[in-house]
Amino acid sequence: EPEVTQTPSHQVTQMGQEVILRCVPISNHLYFYWYRQILGQKVEFLVSFYNNEISEKSEIFDDQFSVERPDGSNFTLKIRSTKLEDSAMYFCASSERGYTGELFFGEGSRLTVL
Amino acid sequence: QKEVEQNSGPLSVPEGAIASLNCTYSDRGSQSFFWYRQYSGKSPELIMFIYSNGDKEDGRFTAQLNKASQYVSLLIRDSQPSDSATYLCAVIYNQGGKLIFGQGTELSVKP
Repeated sequence: EPEVTQTPSHQVTQMGQEVILRCVPISNHLYFYWYRQILGQKVEFLVSFYNNEISEKSEIFDDQFSVERPDGSNFTLKIRSTKLEDSAMYFCASSERGYTGELFFGEGSRLTVL
Repeated sequence: QKEVEQNSGPLSVPEGAIASLNCTYSDRGSQSFFWYRQYSGKSPELIMFIYSNGDKEDGRFTAQLNKASQYVSLLIRDSQPSDSATYLCAVIYNQGGKLIFGQGTELSVKP
């Protein structure tokens, strides 16, 4: 069964360092998303991406965040200068048709900022 | 501010019982409604979606939607210990697929 894959599963970094989280969405999906979940809190929307551009972003997704689809398969989230409060689980998701809400999530990348 | 509210629980039910999970949402413009299951340390997994008022059944799961009351529920019949997880209610507001999640209800099914 097709699945969304994410790497790394866990990354530990020092505050101020750049981090890139990688995702391979399901191959025939057209809509891509990043969500995050701080430990014990709700799943929060960060950004949606369609047709090689950001379609929507939340207030969390400030200038230190960026997304890119560098080739036909990968979808990346970059955090330029990490802060302690960026420590969270980051989930990539993809959807065949954006408006249906039927998102398929990857297993997540746990980011720990020290 | 669009909000999705759930009772965080924990909700504890005995094995074989019906578990009832509830969710309210703030924006009447909401279009579609989803229930995701999240095991501890894992990613959300879609269980059911519902678009129209009324009930929708899928196996042991029934989703109920009442748009007038801005209320969504999930019933799990014949609850099993493997159903123990956090259940996330989510709402979609626009064509772009952005989901707004509630904080989740923790369900514990006791053998």
